[in-house]
Amino acid sequence: DTGVSQDPRHKITKRGQNVTFRCDPISEHNRLYWYRQTLGQGPEFLTYFQNEAQLEKSRLLSDRFSAERPKGSFSTLEIQRTEQGDSAMYLCASSLAGSGANVLTFGAGSRLTVL
Amino acid sequence: AQSVSQHNHHVILSEAASLELGCNYSYGGTVNLFWYVQYPGQHLQLLLKYFSGDPLVKGIKGFEAEFIKSKFSFNLRKPSVQWSDTAEYFCAVNSRNDMRFGAGTRLTVKP
Repeated sequence: DTGVSQDPRHKITKRGQNVTFRCDPISEHNRLYWYRQTLGQGPEFLTYFQNEAQLEKSRLLSDRFSAERPKGSFSTLEIQRTEQGDSAMYLCASSLAGSGANVLTFGAGSRLTVL
Repeated sequence: AQSVSQHNHHVILSEAASLELGCNYSYGGTVNLFWYVQYPGQHLQLLLKYFSGDPLVKGIKGFEAEFIKSKFSFNLRKPSVQWSDTAEYFCAVNSRNDMRFGAGTRLTVKP
C-alpha cells in the first residue's frame, strides 16, 4: 500500500468550469475525509465518509461542492461552476473507524487554480 | 465557537535552539489532540498525538507535547532543533468526528 493517493496533483481551470478530484485511501481504512487548505491557513474540514455513507458535511460547504464514495473505496470531490475563491489545495485523508478513527493519514493534495 | 489557535505564525531559530510552539483550543468535553508536520514539498504527517493518560507525550524526531487541561493547551516542544526541522507545524483537535486544525506555525531553522 502506497498511502493515500490523490489525482490530479494540480488542476488549472477557468472560472465557471467543473472540476473533479479523486482520492484513493489506504485500502483497509473505512473513513475518508476531505479538507481544503488555503495559503497561510490550516486544513479546513469539508466532509467525511464512513464506508460509502457521507456522515458529516461542513455547513461552510457550498452547494456547488459534492462528494461521493460509491463503493466505499475511492472518493471523488466535484466542484461545479468554479469560482476564483475555490482556488486552494484539496486534501484527502483516511483513517480506521473505532479507536483509530482519530489518526488521519493525508494524501499529497490536489491543488486547484481557478483563473 | 470551537477553535484552535496557534500563537506564532512564523518562528525563526538557529540550530540547537530550543523550540516551543503554542496551541490553545476552545472545545468542551473530551478531546483528542494532535500535532501534524508538513515538510517542504511533502504532505501532512502525524508528529504526535494525545488521547488520554500521561499528559506529556513523545513523538517522532525528538518532539514532545504537553497537554494542560486547565489551560486548554497542547504546546509542542523540542530541546534542540535541527535544520531538517524546517517545516510547517499544525495543531489539531478532534472532539467528535471532524478534526479542526490551527492556522499553522512556519518554523525556519537556520544552519
